[in-house]
Amino acid sequence: DTGVSQDPRHKITKRGQNVTFRCDPISEHNRLYWYRQTLGQGPEFLTYFQNEAQLEKSRLLSDRFSAERPKGSFSTLEIQRTEQGDSAMYLCASSLSTYSYEQYFGPGTRLTVT
Amino acid sequence: GEDVEQSLFLSVREGDSSVINCTYTDSSSTYLYWYKQEPGAGLQLLTYIFSNMDMKQDQRLTVLLNKKDKHLSLRIADTQTGDSAIYFCAESVNGGKLIFGQGTTLQVKP
Repeated sequence: DTGVSQDPRHKITKRGQNVTFRCDPISEHNRLYWYRQTLGQGPEFLTYFQNEAQLEKSRLLSDRFSAERPKGSFSTLEIQRTEQGDSAMYLCASSLSTYSYEQYFGPGTRLTVT
Repeated sequence: GEDVEQSLFLSVREGDSSVINCTYTDSSSTYLYWYKQEPGAGLQLLTYIFSNMDMKQDQRLTVLLNKKDKHLSLRIADTQTGDSAIYFCAESVNGGKLIFGQGTTLQVKP
């Protein structure tokens, strides 16, 4: 099993630009989660999908953030009109719904907004 | 509300035992976790415990849960320099989203 993968690993963008991140979960994992981690803090939940359905979104997920999982496999997280406060590590995790208590994380995408 | 708290830093000597503590507030938490994060890396699931258990042992790791006090601890026996990392405690209800603490930095001195 190849584990959860994320692309890109690093992204530097100018304020006001749009960015999109991709997450490929572990094969056959039907739950996919997005978290955000800022320096010195634990990860904070953003949203999660079961198959293609987005089941929960955090209040942290402003209107500038949108996530999709169109075919129930990979997922994308888009941030529009980036702000410096969006600089963080964006982490993706996946699990099987039957073993939903075992969430496995990818390496993360580090976003720097200048 | 949901809140998880951990002490920020722990320093031990190689070969000693390490004990990392965590408190949580959500009494409906079903699962409690320990994750490890090394510099620049994602989170590695170390172990987890169901809320109806008091203790779980897995090789060098021992998890103790005091549900009455909402206190969770992770003991690492024979701590090695490779155990140096940030350790996160987390909780979830019925295996959904994880609520993490701030993380405890474990420093292992040779």
